[in-house]
Amino acid sequence: DARVTQTPRHKVTEMGQEVTMRCQPILGHNTVFWYRQTMMQGLELLAYFRNRAPLDDSGMPKDRFSAEMPDATLATLKIQPSEPRDSAVYFCASGFSGDQPQHFGDGTRLSIL
Amino acid sequence: GQNIDQPTEMTATEGAIVQINCTYQTSGFNGLFWYQQHAGEAPTFLSYNVLDGLEEKGRFSSFLSRSKGYSYLLLKELQMKDSASYLCAVSYNTNAGKSTFGDGTTLTVKP
Repeated sequence: DARVTQTPRHKVTEMGQEVTMRCQPILGHNTVFWYRQTMMQGLELLAYFRNRAPLDDSGMPKDRFSAEMPDATLATLKIQPSEPRDSAVYFCASGFSGDQPQHFGDGTRLSIL
Repeated sequence: GQNIDQPTEMTATEGAIVQINCTYQTSGFNGLFWYQQHAGEAPTFLSYNVLDGLEEKGRFSSFLSRSKGYSYLLLKELQMKDSASYLCAVSYNTNAGKSTFGDGTTLTVKP
């Protein structure tokens, strides 16, 4: 079965460091989502791309977070500088546009010390 | 806003039936998804409802009432492996293809 692939699976780093998370969406999917999940906030949408174009990044702190899709096979989420409150699980999901289910990657478990 | 409400936690017994409710704002509603998320894992798609009524898929069924802004996920013949979080997600026609997720209902199945 086709899967969304995220790297790294785990990341521990000190505050102030740059963090880059990568996602390979399922081939053929034209929408990509980045979510953050914590116990307190649930699943929050950070950014959303369709056909590689950013459609919505209103949920993302602009001063430190950035999301890009340099090509159809790669989406990136960067945090610079990182802070302890960024500790969470970050999920990437992909799908087809329209009312279609999203397919989630296994997530990146990020800990900022 | 587009608040989506689900109970935080539920407990049920192995072999029993459990119903997990979800309410949402009806303005601009397109469709409703249910996802299952086991602890430490990614959410996986369970069902999608766009029309009123019950959609059955094995032990799991999902119901929708568009006019009432209400859905439920029905799990029959509960198994221990059904212990997970169940996420209700709604797509609105103002949201350009994205879904708004509820906070999830953590279901614990006991022997």
